[in-house]
Amino acid sequence: AQSVTQPDIHITVSEGASLELRCNYSYGATPYLFWYVQSPGQGLQLLLKYFSGDTLVQGIKGFEAEFKRSQSSFNLRKPSVHWSDAAEYFCAVGSILTGGGNKLTFGTGTQLKVEL
Amino acid sequence: KAGVTQTPRYLIKTRGQQVTLSCSPISGHRSVSWYQQTPGQGLQFLFEYFSETQRNKGNFPGRFSGRQFSNSRSEMNVSTLELGDSALYLCASSLGLAGSEAFFGQGTRLTVV
Repeated sequence: AQSVTQPDIHITVSEGASLELRCNYSYGATPYLFWYVQSPGQGLQLLLKYFSGDTLVQGIKGFEAEFKRSQSSFNLRKPSVHWSDAAEYFCAVGSILTGGGNKLTFGTGTQLKVEL
Repeated sequence: KAGVTQTPRYLIKTRGQQVTLSCSPISGHRSVSWYQQTPGQGLQFLFEYFSETQRNKGNFPGRFSGRQFSNSRSEMNVSTLELGDSALYLCASSLGLAGSEAFFGQGTRLTVV
C-alpha cells in the first residue's frame, strides 16, 4: 500500500531564508506526486505536481520540488521564504485504483512558521 | 473559472442525527472525491464518484455515503452521527483521469455535540 512520510511536524524559518520540506513516499509503481498548502480554516491549494519527465518541477508562489527515485523523495524547496508562506504543507501520492479512479494519500503535514 | 464550492461551510449537529454536505465541482470535471481531515488521523480518502457512479471507496463505515448527480454535483451523507465524526470534510474535483490534478474546496467544518 502506498504511504507518505513527512518527518518534520513543525519547521520555523526566518523571512528571507531558504526552505526545504521533506517528503518520502512508498509506492509500487511510478508515482504521481503532489504538494499542497493549507491555510487555517481553508481547503488545499495545489503548489506543484510530478507525473513524469523532468525531475525538477516548478510550482506556484516560487516553490519547486525535486523527485529522486533512488531516495523515494519529493522534497519541496523555496529559495526565499515570505511571511505569507506560513501555513501547513502536505505531500501526497496519487495512486491509480482498480476501479479506474485515483485517490490521494497524504502525509501528516508540516506546519511552517515564518519569523519576521 | 469558478472553483470547487462546498456548502455549508460550518455545521453543528447532535449525536445520532444525520447530515448532508454538498459539493459543486469545477465545470467540466466529472470526478468528485471526498476526504475527511481530523487532527488525529489527518487526511483520509472517503470515496470517489465519477459520472454518477461510486468508483472507489475508502475504509469508512457504511454510515458514510454519497451520490453524484448528472451535473456532477455531489452530496455526502453521514447518518447516526458520532462525536468522532467531527472533522473538516473536503471535496476535490478533477477530470477523473489517471494522475489528474485534484482541486479542493474550502471544506465543511462539521462539529458533532
